[in-house]
Amino acid sequence: ILNVEQSPQSLHVQEGDSTNFTCSFPSSNFYALHWYRWETAKSPEALFVMTLNGDEKKKGRISATLNTKEGYSYLYIKGSQPEDSATYLCAFEGGGNKLTFGTGTQLKVEL
Amino acid sequence: GAVVSQHPSWVICKSGTSVKIECRSLDFQATTMFWYRQFPKQSLMLMATSNEGSKATYEQGVEKDKFLINHASLTLSTLTVTSAHPEDSSFYICSAREAGARNQPQHFGDGTRLSIL
Repeated sequence: ILNVEQSPQSLHVQEGDSTNFTCSFPSSNFYALHWYRWETAKSPEALFVMTLNGDEKKKGRISATLNTKEGYSYLYIKGSQPEDSATYLCAFEGGGNKLTFGTGTQLKVEL
Repeated sequence: GAVVSQHPSWVICKSGTSVKIECRSLDFQATTMFWYRQFPKQSLMLMATSNEGSKATYEQGVEKDKFLINHASLTLSTLTVTSAHPEDSSFYICSAREAGARNQPQHFGDGTRLSIL
């Protein structure tokens, strides 16, 4: 059974704060690491698919880094806004075209 | 682009009923679709991988006779929960991947909340 862990489980920040979350995953048999944002009553939205060790990707105020050798990825949000409130999921993809998800980090951005 | 439609979004039915959930890729062809289940406060758990024109591949512990999956076309996969019981109550969500898009994300539907009385 693959173990994908995310921390923290939940996070409350003030508008304008910058924040980051962690995803840890197996360092063997790695193919890709996926990040999704999941807002209530909507479908999960793909943020990043990262495949190379040392990858850094950015989408607006959100960025992510990847370390496949030690098995972790960080997601950063700069200057959090209320619309960033969502659950952020990471998913490990090994050799079999399947995703193993973490339990997510629930972010609440308050005014 | 890359929109996945899942229907219905919410079902309440009596124990013993069979329930069909549809998953459609609206603007792309999906040779592979995935069905997940989520229990409260837990992660999305893959139930099965659905390949167009062939039998689905079920994850360990998922009863294939209970959860029937059909992927008859490149844009439609269905999950039928047969003779549903209260323990089958859960959140079910599908995703689809474009043909030949191994480095691309899976695109998700909105999910179906199933409640069996």
